[in-house]
Amino acid sequence: DAGVIQSPRHEVTEMGQEVTLRCKPISGHNSLFWYRQTMMRGLELLIYFNNNVPIDDSGMPEDRFSAKMPNASFSTLKIQPSEPRDSAVYFCASSLASGSWEQFFGPGTRLTVL
Amino acid sequence: SQQGEEDPQALSIQEGENATMNCSYKTSINNLQWYRQNSGRGLVHLILIRSNEREKHSGRLRVTLDTSKKSSSLLITASRAADTASYFCATDEAGTALIFGKGTTLSVSS
Repeated sequence: DAGVIQSPRHEVTEMGQEVTLRCKPISGHNSLFWYRQTMMRGLELLIYFNNNVPIDDSGMPEDRFSAKMPNASFSTLKIQPSEPRDSAVYFCASSLASGSWEQFFGPGTRLTVL
Repeated sequence: SQQGEEDPQALSIQEGENATMNCSYKTSINNLQWYRQNSGRGLVHLILIRSNEREKHSGRLRVTLDTSKKSSSLLITASRAADTASYFCATDEAGTALIFGKGTTLSVSS
């Protein structure tokens, strides 16, 4: 298996633009997680899905952030409009189930908003 | 909110020495996990210890868990330059998603 796949790996955009991050989880995994990592705040859970259904989105910082999982093999995290403070590394992870299971992380998308 | 807090924030040692990192958490857990993150990469799972276990080994890794003190430690023995990375503990909160600490940055020099 190729592991969790994220695209793009790097994204540089200007303030106010829409940004879409993509994730393909490991086949057979039922849970998918989106995290944001910054030096200041560490690794923050933004939202997670079980069986394509959003379970907890309390970590989504603002209405500018939205996430979807239209099927078991694809998820997107969208920021519209983007702001400089959104600059961070965004990770997608998947696991067999939520809770106590080991999570497998993708390589991350480094987002820079100018 | 962050459940686990690692200590120290940064650790520098020589190759061959042992490295010990600690993690404290606040609420009851089902298990605790340790992850490693190399610079510019995603996190990689190292080891999981359940709440009814006190100690677990995996290669050069030794993890202990003290639920009465709500703390865990990760010991890396005979460290190598390749162990240079950030190490995170993660705890579950009653079946919900994992909560990660801010990590310990380990630097091993040869």
